[in-house]
Amino acid sequence: QVQLQESGPGLVKPSETLSLTCSVSGVPMRSASYYWGWIRQPPGKGLEWVASIYYSGTTSYNASLKSRVTISVDTSKNQFTLKLSSVTAADTAVYYCARHDGHSYGHYYFKYWGLGTLVTVSS
Amino acid sequence: QSVLTQPPSVSGAPGQRVTLSCTGSSSNIGAPYDVHWYQQLPGAAPKLLIFGDINRPSGVPDRFSGSKSGTSASLAITGLQAEDEADYYCQTYDTTLSGWVFGSGTKVFVL
Repeated sequence: QVQLQESGPGLVKPSETLSLTCSVSGVPMRSASYYWGWIRQPPGKGLEWVASIYYSGTTSYNASLKSRVTISVDTSKNQFTLKLSSVTAADTAVYYCARHDGHSYGHYYFKYWGLGTLVTVSS
Repeated sequence: QSVLTQPPSVSGAPGQRVTLSCTGSSSNIGAPYDVHWYQQLPGAAPKLLIFGDINRPSGVPDRFSGSKSGTSASLAITGLQAEDEADYYCQTYDTTLSGWVFGSGTKVFVL
């Protein structure tokens, strides 16, 4: 059974860098051909895809966040990490990690999700 | 402002059928890229409800069904139940944005 769990600080100061890790269990990332992604949801609002990474390291970023976002993968630890720099209050959200399933960009969907972690940007 | 438009809310009485729409464009749904649907219960993570336009994951009741035509997609819920009260999101890929996109979401109210 695939499980994902987000971890990281719940409070980040404005202008600092948000860093979150998603720990994956139930499937070895180094041998499984999947994309892994981050999706966020501001309080009371809808879902927004943030970034995704292939197990080999190929990345995709939301164009509106691309200048501030970095996603990386550590297959030896079965984890992938999100970094979002220069945060503002607008980055306050529940951040979910998820696994893409499907066979190509136009067909990928998010089958497995973590429970999500709330990150608040405030001084 | 999402490139996929969903009505803010839909309501129905228990047992009724409701339909949720997701309207896109030629750069996403009409490309054509697959449309997927998620259910989000209050305080919970989204759950995959429909993938590849019409397919239900194991465990999803057949009361939920998906369809697609042109640049729009729909999710139908038949035999509406109180437990179906939730937010529903459509999702696909957008070639102009070069990324995955979600609809604005529809809140289903069971009267």
